[in-house]
Amino acid sequence: GAVVSQHPSWVICKSGTSVKIECRSLDFQATTMFWYRQFPKQSLMLMATSNEGSKATYEQGVEKDKFLINHASLTLSTLTVTSAHPEDSSFYICSAADRPYEQYFGPGTRLTVT
Amino acid sequence: GENVGLHLPTLSVQEGDNSIINCAYSNSASDYFIWYKQESGKGPQFIIDIRSNMDKRQGQRVTVLLNKTVKHLSLQIAATQPGDSAVYFCATEGNNDMRFGAGTRLTVKP
Repeated sequence: GAVVSQHPSWVICKSGTSVKIECRSLDFQATTMFWYRQFPKQSLMLMATSNEGSKATYEQGVEKDKFLINHASLTLSTLTVTSAHPEDSSFYICSAADRPYEQYFGPGTRLTVT
Repeated sequence: GENVGLHLPTLSVQEGDNSIINCAYSNSASDYFIWYKQESGKGPQFIIDIRSNMDKRQGQRVTVLLNKTVKHLSLQIAATQPGDSAVYFCATEGNNDMRFGAGTRLTVKP
């Protein structure tokens, strides 16, 4: 149990376009979902925390208008990278939690902006 | 919470040896600690956790030690195998704040 999926697993897009990444909890209801990004050889960096039905809470330095997060249901959260640029190329990971302290991670999405 | 991207320290061990990976944390309110393993190109996988009312917990081939006095956490892997090669992160949670450690890249030499 406690499986989290992400789609797509990798995506290549052109500079200036927008990309949507989905995060789904497959066998449980996630009241909270987290979005991380990870640059090569670096630790995970928390971008934002979202609770179902409410606005996401963004970490300092993360542009909320650039990284749009929608947590529309208890099993789905989406991250949209708007007007993507090459510096947005990264590994994006979501996690989902149905109770405090228990986060389950998705497999990640590799975004490459050309 | 604060997350600072850092270049990962590395640990290289011989197959069969024991590995010890360390993590220092700063949040005094942390009361739950987790170790994750992340293989290249994949999301983190849960390895083992420990709550603040314990100082040691053992799993299969892994042991986590917690020293709250000095805010230090360690992961011990017994008889390290090539499949253990990965990046290992600690994460600490407390007061709805979660933080990840910088991670350590473990390389196992056959």
